[in-house]
Amino acid sequence: DAKTTQPTSMDCAEGRAANLPCNHSTISGNEYVYWYRQIHSQGPQYIIHGLKNNETNEMASLIITEDRKSSTLILPHATLRDTAVYYCIALEYGNKLVFGAGTILRVKS
Amino acid sequence: GAVVSQHPSWVICKSGTSVKIECRSLDFQATTMFWYRQFPKQSLMLMATSNEGSKATYEQGVEKDKFLINHASLTLSTLTVTSAHPEDSSFYICSASALLAGVQETQYFGPGTRLLVL
Repeated sequence: DAKTTQPTSMDCAEGRAANLPCNHSTISGNEYVYWYRQIHSQGPQYIIHGLKNNETNEMASLIITEDRKSSTLILPHATLRDTAVYYCIALEYGNKLVFGAGTILRVKS
Repeated sequence: GAVVSQHPSWVICKSGTSVKIECRSLDFQATTMFWYRQFPKQSLMLMATSNEGSKATYEQGVEKDKFLINHASLTLSTLTVTSAHPEDSSFYICSASALLAGVQETQYFGPGTRLLVL
């Protein structure tokens, strides 16, 4: 699966939108972009995934560029409880999830 | 939907004893479950893939005789750490694969089990 690159950490003010970028320039046509997050001392939580169209659910929006080489996870109104490590993973169906270092998002009041 | 539970949430044991961790998919059936391990300040590392009714597939470097995996039903997988030693102290996390309202299977994770071996 394609390697992804994420910033090490980001800060966001409570109530503002948190925009987390992810680069996946070598992504193949069969690979989906998955986002998970891990709050301290808990198991990872599935957020959203997409192939090429933008996606939205109750937790977040996923914006994928037209060339699919990068994407952005948007938390529209970040709260303190959104402080976590966010993982962007490119995954082809049937393959294993491989977690990188992710982005530490700190939401501050 | 897609809730995965683990039991126990934490365990302390003496060196040399065995510890069993259960992973259950509560509201869906999972033909495939996964076991991960996470050391402090590190990311999750896949240990093994478990398919219902067949032997688990272990990642390179993971001792299959030390980490026994049983996937007896579509909702239950167990990981037994045999003859545990202090270096086995870690955060063990399972996940279960589900196809919910989509065409791509997604892994849903349990809350994790923290193991401390004294």
